[in-house]
Amino acid sequence: GDSVTQTEGQVALSEEDFLTIHCNYSASGYPALFWYVQYPGEGPQFLFRASRDKEKGSSRGFEATYDKGTTSFHLRKASVQESDSAVYYCALGDRGSALGRLHFGAGTQLIVIP
Amino acid sequence: DMKVTQMPRYLIKRMGENVLLECGQDMSHETMYWYRQDPGLGLQLIYISYDVDSNSEGDIPKGYRVSRKKREHFSLILDSAKTNQTSVYFCASSLSIGTVSSYEQYFGPGTRLTVL
Repeated sequence: GDSVTQTEGQVALSEEDFLTIHCNYSASGYPALFWYVQYPGEGPQFLFRASRDKEKGSSRGFEATYDKGTTSFHLRKASVQESDSAVYYCALGDRGSALGRLHFGAGTQLIVIP
Repeated sequence: DMKVTQMPRYLIKRMGENVLLECGQDMSHETMYWYRQDPGLGLQLIYISYDVDSNSEGDIPKGYRVSRKKREHFSLILDSAKTNQTSVYFCASSLSIGTVSSYEQYFGPGTRLTVL
């Protein structure tokens, strides 16, 4: 079945470092891909999406490019801030479902040290 | 202000007791969801509801049931709770079934359930 793999369980960076969180997916065709962010004590919230090959999604300084060739949708940010500390989830939209079902990765906790 | 609310925020129950988790949304969204979140496992889908009295199992429905009698309200019920149901439970809602927008889910703040 469709699935998403996030290889880093936790990433620790200093402020102004460059961020990469890896996301790879397994699915047929061109599923919609998403990033969600969850701040401490809150529910996840939608960050951005991409729906076709080479499309770039972006929001709040974060970006990711849909790459069908490598089945990836890596999250990047040029300069992280302490306020970016959160858990980031990569997700894939189930194309077999009309009900908006998402398959989430296990999540990556980002810790930014001031 | 678009919002998904969950009650209660924290709950402690003993094994074998019944549990009712409640969720409300003020956005007139058609689709609502229940997830549980456990360390290292991310978000796991329990049930989806696409309208009143129209529910579908997610990936881990065993031990749970749901009720949706009004579009804005969706309940998760645990009959005879088990210790392995200790978790954080999230409710979510989304609009526009059948379009890419239906994947943009709005989440509530979660309910932390402990079953002793």
